[in-house]
Amino acid sequence: AQSVSQHNHHVILSEAASLELGCNYSYGGTVNLFWYVQYPGQHLQLLLKYFSGDPLVKGIKGFEAEFIKSKFSFNLRKPSVQWSDTAEYFCAVNNHTGGFKTIFGAGTRLFVKA
Amino acid sequence: DVKVTQSSRYLVKRTGEKVFLECVQDMDHENMFWYRQDPGLGLRLIYFSYDVKMKEKGDIPEGYSVSREKKERFSLILESASTNQTSMYLCASRGRTFGEQYFGPGTRLTVT
Repeated sequence: AQSVSQHNHHVILSEAASLELGCNYSYGGTVNLFWYVQYPGQHLQLLLKYFSGDPLVKGIKGFEAEFIKSKFSFNLRKPSVQWSDTAEYFCAVNNHTGGFKTIFGAGTRLFVKA
Repeated sequence: DVKVTQSSRYLVKRTGEKVFLECVQDMDHENMFWYRQDPGLGLRLIYFSYDVKMKEKGDIPEGYSVSREKKERFSLILESASTNQTSMYLCASRGRTFGEQYFGPGTRLTVT
């Protein structure tokens, strides 16, 4: 079955530390990739997306993600986290043969200590 | 700016009650979705709709039904609520077939 795997369920970092959240998917073929973020008490919102082109994608708030097709990965990175980055992060994938469905990972809860 | 609204932020219902969750989007999107979000399980698709009166089952449709009579509105119905349906319910809409989704604030449903 098609799936999205996020390696870390909980991550705790101090401010200014670097962040990398792993995401692997099991689809073949052409894929669209997303990272969504849910800040405490807020609705889920798009952080960044990849459809085609440059595999290094820049999103809001200094986040970036790199699509590595050979590794079926789309890891999220930020060089220096802030307390306000405390949130839950979801990786999501859809592909052109999967119809309307987008598959979400289980999420990673990030807590940034001030 | 896309706006997706849900009828309630918090809802408490009793076992066996019929529950209606309403979702409205204001961007003329064709596609609308209902998910439930549970800790450690991410988002699981209950139903989606790709046009008025059209619907497709998602991964966990049992115990749920949906209605889409107008393009902007997508309703989730729990025919007979059970305690295992206690969860956060998220509605989303999407314009392009493979584009990003826009989410509502969620409804936290508690069934007692």
